[in-house]
Amino acid sequence: GAGVSQSPSNKVTEKGKDVELRCDPISGHTALYWYRQSLGQGLEFLIYFQGNSAPDKSGLPSDRFSAERTGGSVSTLTIQRTQQEDSAVYLCASSSSGPIGDTQYFGPGTRLTVL
Amino acid sequence: QKEVEQNSGPLSVPEGAIASLNCTYSDRGSQSFFWYRQYSGKSPELIMSIYSNGDKEDGRFTAQLNKASQYVSLLIRDSQPSDSATYLCAVTAVSRTYKYIFGTGTRLKVLA
Repeated sequence: GAGVSQSPSNKVTEKGKDVELRCDPISGHTALYWYRQSLGQGLEFLIYFQGNSAPDKSGLPSDRFSAERTGGSVSTLTIQRTQQEDSAVYLCASSSSGPIGDTQYFGPGTRLTVL
Repeated sequence: QKEVEQNSGPLSVPEGAIASLNCTYSDRGSQSFFWYRQYSGKSPELIMSIYSNGDKEDGRFTAQLNKASQYVSLLIRDSQPSDSATYLCAVTAVSRTYKYIFGTGTRLKVLA
């Protein structure tokens, strides 16, 4: 089947506006991650969904960031009152879970630019 | 101490040489280990996974795992300019509900 998809691929917004980023994981994958990557920097973990467990939100940088995963599939990352420092590529990844073999597959990312 | 540590580089090697990338991790309970490659402006892609001590070879790539010393390495033989990228090490453990922990990556430059 298809890989991880994300939309939009690019988003330009004005400071103070809210944005929603969408991720469609690989069908059947129980784990879903959101990462942020600023230019030339490493992956910054944001949030981790694993099945029906409470999400691990330990990476969210502020309360302006939130994410949900509906029906164990599609996920939406919402950034409220965007700031210029939120500009980055937002990557979503999914994996199946098990004792071993839980390869993580990344989507193409959403490039967010806050003016 | 970071959970997964990598030298940020850049690591420069001449074309045809062996590139050696290293990664150490702090959680002794870690079970699965992955190497990802990320080209500039692209998403990370899996190169190798390894779960048992020892070596695992796939083409020009060899992953080496030593759980006692808590390190995992990636060797790239006959390095090519097209191997120039950032290489990310990732680790999972059942104690963390298999949550991936990534290192910050090592930038590799293969010089033609």
